[in-house]
Amino acid sequence: DAGVIQSPRHEVTEMGQEVTLRCKPISGHNSLFWYRQTMMRGLELLIYFNNNVPIDDSGMPEDRFSAKMPNASFSTLKIQPSEPRDSAVYFCASSSGYNEQFFGPGTRLTVL
Amino acid sequence: QKEVEQNSGPLSVPEGAIASLNCTYSDRGSQSFFWYRQYSGKSPELIMFIYSNGDKEDGRFTAQLNKASQYVSLLIRDSQPSDSATYLCAVIVNDMRFGAGTRLTVKP
Repeated sequence: DAGVIQSPRHEVTEMGQEVTLRCKPISGHNSLFWYRQTMMRGLELLIYFNNNVPIDDSGMPEDRFSAKMPNASFSTLKIQPSEPRDSAVYFCASSSGYNEQFFGPGTRLTVL
Repeated sequence: QKEVEQNSGPLSVPEGAIASLNCTYSDRGSQSFFWYRQYSGKSPELIMFIYSNGDKEDGRFTAQLNKASQYVSLLIRDSQPSDSATYLCAVIVNDMRFGAGTRLTVKP
């Protein structure tokens, strides 16, 4: 199994630009999570999906953030417009039910 | 009060010693408890999970859970320099909530 796949691994963009992060969960997992990690705030849950349906998006910081999961094998997290304070590592994780979560390698986002 | 609290450290122990990492949580309904290890620049990886009160051992690692005190800990015996990392405590109620992590350094 390839594990959770995220792309891109690194993204550098300018303030105001749209950023799209992508995630492919582990096949057979029915839950998908998006996290953001910074030194100041640690690991924060942004949103999670169960069976492709968003369950809890209370961690999404603002309307500039949106996430979709059109099918069981793909999810996106979009930031539009991006701001410097969005700079962080964004992790996608997947799990089967309320079990351990497997994390992807993360996307390091830098907004200039 | 934060949902999951950990001492941010850094915690420094000599090689071969026991490292003790602690975590408290606020929601008494929490049922599942996890310890993740995160090396610098890498993603978190699960090292232990525990659901029942008491101790659970896996090699050099022991997780301890006390639901009455809302406390979960991780002991690392015979600490090695390769154990140097940030350890994240995670708790599931409706979803998984992480503590801020404790940075552990094992000195040769």
